[in-house]
Amino acid sequence: EAGVAQSPRYKIIEKRQSVAFWCNPISGHATLYWYQQILGQGPKLLIQFQNNGVVDDSQLPKDRFSAERLKGVDSTLKIQPAKLEDSAVYLCASSPRTSGNTGELFFGEGSRLTVL
Amino acid sequence: AQSVSQHNHHVILSEAASLELGCNYSYGGTVNLFWYVQYPGQHLQLLLKYFSGDPLVKGIKGFEAEFIKSKFSFNLRKPSVQWSDTAEYFCAVNFRAAGNKLTFGGGTRVLVKP
Repeated sequence: EAGVAQSPRYKIIEKRQSVAFWCNPISGHATLYWYQQILGQGPKLLIQFQNNGVVDDSQLPKDRFSAERLKGVDSTLKIQPAKLEDSAVYLCASSPRTSGNTGELFFGEGSRLTVL
Repeated sequence: AQSVSQHNHHVILSEAASLELGCNYSYGGTVNLFWYVQYPGQHLQLLLKYFSGDPLVKGIKGFEAEFIKSKFSFNLRKPSVQWSDTAEYFCAVNFRAAGNKLTFGGGTRVLVKP
């Protein structure tokens, strides 16, 4: 079974520029998550999708971050304009069930963003 | 707000030593509990999980964890570590009343010296 795919693996940009990350979850996984992991901290949930609908985006800085999952499969996370404090690894995860979900997530390798 | 705390940020120990990593979470009703591991240069992987039943759960690579409901704790243990256990360990909790999402602790970096 293929895992969660993310790209790019690494990105370096200057502040105020924009960046987009892409995620392809495990086939058949209805729920998709984007987490932000700042160096030295645990992952923090940014947004959760179920199929193509947003379940929770309460911690997404909506003035600069946006995410979509148009067909209920792939997802993109965009940052515009980027700030220095956005330097982090952006993790995509998916989970297999739409109901009775026990919270087990499958993670991609992450996209490491450096903002200069 | 729900929170997860890991007691140690860094742990250094020698091979064959025993390991115990603490994890506590805020009250949140029914929970599902997880430990994830991140080896250097790799993605997060599930080490073990607790949903219900026996509060002592066994995971991969000789790890186990004990859920103590009265203490809101889910500590990770391994009786004898190996150099290959060098990694960062994350405790994560699914607070079921808050929806199916994981809240992570800050992580513990473990270095096992050969």
